[in-house]
Amino acid sequence: DTGVSQDPRHKITKRGQNVTFRCDPISEHNRLYWYRQTLGQGPEFLTYFQNEAQLEKSRLLSDRFSAERPKGSFSTLEIQRTEQGDSAMYLCASSFDPGQGSGELFFGEGSRLTVL
Amino acid sequence: KQEVTQIPAALSVPEGENLVLNCSFTDSAIYNLQWFRQDPGKGLTSLLLIQSSQREQTSGRLNASLDKSSGRSTLYIAASQPGDSATYLCAVSPGNSGNTPLVFGKGTRLSVIA
Repeated sequence: DTGVSQDPRHKITKRGQNVTFRCDPISEHNRLYWYRQTLGQGPEFLTYFQNEAQLEKSRLLSDRFSAERPKGSFSTLEIQRTEQGDSAMYLCASSFDPGQGSGELFFGEGSRLTVL
Repeated sequence: KQEVTQIPAALSVPEGENLVLNCSFTDSAIYNLQWFRQDPGKGLTSLLLIQSSQREQTSGRLNASLDKSSGRSTLYIAASQPGDSATYLCAVSPGNSGNTPLVFGKGTRLSVIA
């Protein structure tokens, strides 16, 4: 297993366009997280899944954001009608929960979004 | 609401020095604490995970301690090398269930000068 994989690594788009990011977690991990990070800040939680169920969403996740994990494997994060304030690094992470709470989180390389 | 603070924000040391990075959190009810390393423009690499019942974890030249009651953790790096230059992030899982996502500090940017 090569770890958490994210695609694309970089995306430049014009304001108002839609963008979609994909995350492939470590194969045996049942939890998948999305975080957003801006320059000089720590990652901020957006949402997470346990298998295919979306269990929690942050208030940061406006109506323009939607995330899915349809078969409990890969996940997509879509941003509709992008705004310049959406420019950030979008990080995906995965972990294994044996039923006693999440274990160690492993992150991907991130998808950097620039909205012009 | 859990808040995580890391001091100092930036640190520059000569190669070979031992150093300590500090992390504090406002609510002592945590499930675990994790230290990460982040290189510029890259994702996060997990360094050490400490469960709430543990006092410390070690990996190579790294040692992380946890004092849950005082809301503090330290990351000790022995014999620093230029390759250790990166941003180090501390994160806690709030509560007792392990179901609350990690809350991160802003990180400490470390430069090790050859």
